Amino acid sequence: AQSVAQPEDQVNVAEGNPLTVKCTYSVSGNPYLFWYVQYPNRGLQFLLKYITGDNLVKGSYGFEAEFNKSQTSFHLKKPSALVSDSALYFCAVRDPASGTYKYIFGTGTRLKVLA
Amino acid sequence: NAGVTQTPKFQVLKTGQSMTLQCAQDMNHNSMYWYRQDPGMGLRLIYYSASEGTTDKGEVPNGYNVSRLNKREFSLRLESAAPSQTSVYFCASRAGTSGLRELFFGEGSRLTVL
Repeated sequence: AQSVAQPEDQVNVAEGNPLTVKCTYSVSGNPYLFWYVQYPNRGLQFLLKYITGDNLVKGSYGFEAEFNKSQTSFHLKKPSALVSDSALYFCAVRDPASGTYKYIFGTGTRLKVLA
Repeated sequence: NAGVTQTPKFQVLKTGQSMTLQCAQDMNHNSMYWYRQDPGMGLRLIYYSASEGTTDKGEVPNGYNVSRLNKREFSLRLESAAPSQTSVYFCASRAGTSGLRELFFGEGSRLTVL
């Protein structure tokens, strides 16, 4: 069965410092991986995805993520954090080998960027 | 652009009452989903519809029913609400049929069952 783990409930980082939000996954085949962001009282917004190809993918608002097949990880990164990046971040996976259209989400990581 | 629209945004029910959450998308997407969000548990899939005329159970379908009314609309019904169904519910849709595409989410429906 496919699953996603976000090991940190919360990440605190100072404004201007680099940030990393961690995600690991478990699927039987080659995964499709996604990151979403949720601002208070809003729906989730798509940030970026990995389907195939280059292991480093770039997305919205200066975010990027690195796919590491050997470590089954897909960590979200940003070189210089902004206070406005403070939000709830979700990693999601879809296993195309599963034969279903299910997207499984992690439990979320709250990012706090301190001024 | 409206995107994915959910109604109502807020609802308070008593135990045993029924209600339907409505979802409509105007992006001509094939697939639609219902998730619930609970603190510390992230998003859990209730039901999804890969295309018009089909629905499938997700991780937590008990206590819910769905209807894919047409390509635009996907409703979620609680026949006899329970306090455990207090949650924020999100509808999402996705273009295409290959699963490469990302989900587009509505703004959520906050349900409280007393």
